[in-house]
Amino acid sequence: NAGVTQTPKFRVLKTGQSMTLLCAQDMNHEYMYWYRQDPGMGLRLIHYSVGEGTTAKGEVPDGYNVSRLKKQNFLLGLESAAPSQTSVYFCASSYEGPYNEQFFGPGTRLTVL
Amino acid sequence: AQSVTQLDSQVPVFEEAPVELRCNYSSSVSVYLFWYVQYPNQGLQLLLKYLSGSTLVKGINGFEAEFNKSQTSFHLRKPSVHISDTAEYFCAVSDGASKIIFGSGTRLSIRP
Repeated sequence: NAGVTQTPKFRVLKTGQSMTLLCAQDMNHEYMYWYRQDPGMGLRLIHYSVGEGTTAKGEVPDGYNVSRLKKQNFLLGLESAAPSQTSVYFCASSYEGPYNEQFFGPGTRLTVL
Repeated sequence: AQSVTQLDSQVPVFEEAPVELRCNYSSSVSVYLFWYVQYPNQGLQLLLKYLSGSTLVKGINGFEAEFNKSQTSFHLRKPSVHISDTAEYFCAVSDGASKIIFGSGTRLSIRP
C-alpha cells in the first residue's frame, strides 16, 4: 500500500497563477483533510471531507477550494495564488472521525513569488 | 471551542536524559488527545492517543503521556532520549465531531 500520496512535491508559482494539488489514499478512508504548515504555527486545517462528494471549511479556507469526486482523491485548488499562500501543504486521511489516527502524506512545498 | 497550547517551542536535551514536552488544552466537551511526531522533511505520524480509560498512555519509541483532566494537560515524556528522537512534536485535541486542532509544535533537539 502506498498510503497517502501527494502530487507535486514542490512547486513555484507567480502571484495570480492557479494550480491544483492532488492527494490520493489507498486505505479506503472516509475522512480526508488538507492542512498548511507554517513556522511557529503548527498545522492549520484548510478544508476537510467526511466522504465522497462532501467538503467543509476548516480554520483557514479563504483563497482555496476543494473537491472530492472520488473517495480516494481529495483535490486542493488555488485559483489566484498569493505570496501569503507560500507554505507546506499536507494531506491526511482517517478511517472514521478525527478520534482515529490520521495518516499524512509527505507534503507539498509551495512558493508563491 | 477547543484550543491547544504547547508551552515550549524548543527543548534541547542531552542524549540519554529524560524529557517532558508540555501540552495544555481547553475544551467544553469530552476530548480525545494525541501526540504526533514529524521527522525532518516528512509528514506527521501518530505517537500515541488518549480516547478513554487509563490516563497513562504508552506509545511508540518509548514515549508515554498522562492525561490530567483537572489540569487540562497531556504532557509527553520519555525517560531516556536518543539522537533519533530529534524531531518536531505536535499535541492535538479533538471533540470527535469532525476535526482535530493541532498545537504549534515543540522542536526537540538532542545533544550528544
